[in-house]
Amino acid sequence: DTAVSQTPKYLVTQMGNDKSIKCEQNLGHDTMYWYKQDSKKFLKIMFSYNNKELIINETVPNRFSPKSPDKAHLNLHINSLELGDSAVYFCASSQDSSLAGNEQFFGPGTRLTVL
Amino acid sequence: GQNIDQPTEMTATEGAIVQINCTYQTSGFNGLFWYQQHAGEAPTFLSYNVLDGLEEKGRFSSFLSRSKGYSYLLLKELQMKDSASYLCAVLSNAGNMLTFGGGTRLMVKP
Repeated sequence: DTAVSQTPKYLVTQMGNDKSIKCEQNLGHDTMYWYKQDSKKFLKIMFSYNNKELIINETVPNRFSPKSPDKAHLNLHINSLELGDSAVYFCASSQDSSLAGNEQFFGPGTRLTVL
Repeated sequence: GQNIDQPTEMTATEGAIVQINCTYQTSGFNGLFWYQQHAGEAPTFLSYNVLDGLEEKGRFSSFLSRSKGYSYLLLKELQMKDSASYLCAVLSNAGNMLTFGGGTRLMVKP
């Protein structure tokens, strides 16, 4: 059983295109996250949703729009892709963002390459 | 804001002990996590410290000193499969946000 799953695993696209990455968790967690890991391996939070509501939105261009149809899903839509968007995007989930110490479970990552 | 520092790379020998240090500056500390990430894979949880002291879990231990803004991850009886990046991450109480350091790439040699 996959706890946190993401599709696609690899995404290669042209500059200017619009693409989406899907994430689903079957752990019954309340909180889901999107992270970006760049070529230097820095893992940086982008968004956090708790029960379908946005609670963290770091300094991310508004070309990135997360959508949470229900608490088990958090999708990431990216408009007008740029070369600098090339990175690995990780989805994660945790039990309850209001409780400290809840570990985050990460999905396998989506490697996005913008040409 | 938050600032997290850890060495970029370390090398150790199979069977040995290695200590990976992490220093941090943060406002609103809510705990510190260590994650392991093998190349091309997702980070996986290793440990969580919120009180000062040592937490031991098998071959891995993690230590925290809140007054010094310092933590370390201790790996004993190193195995080749321990070659990976080790990420130190600090949890702030502002939205329970997790901020990661740049990671320490550990290479275990025979």
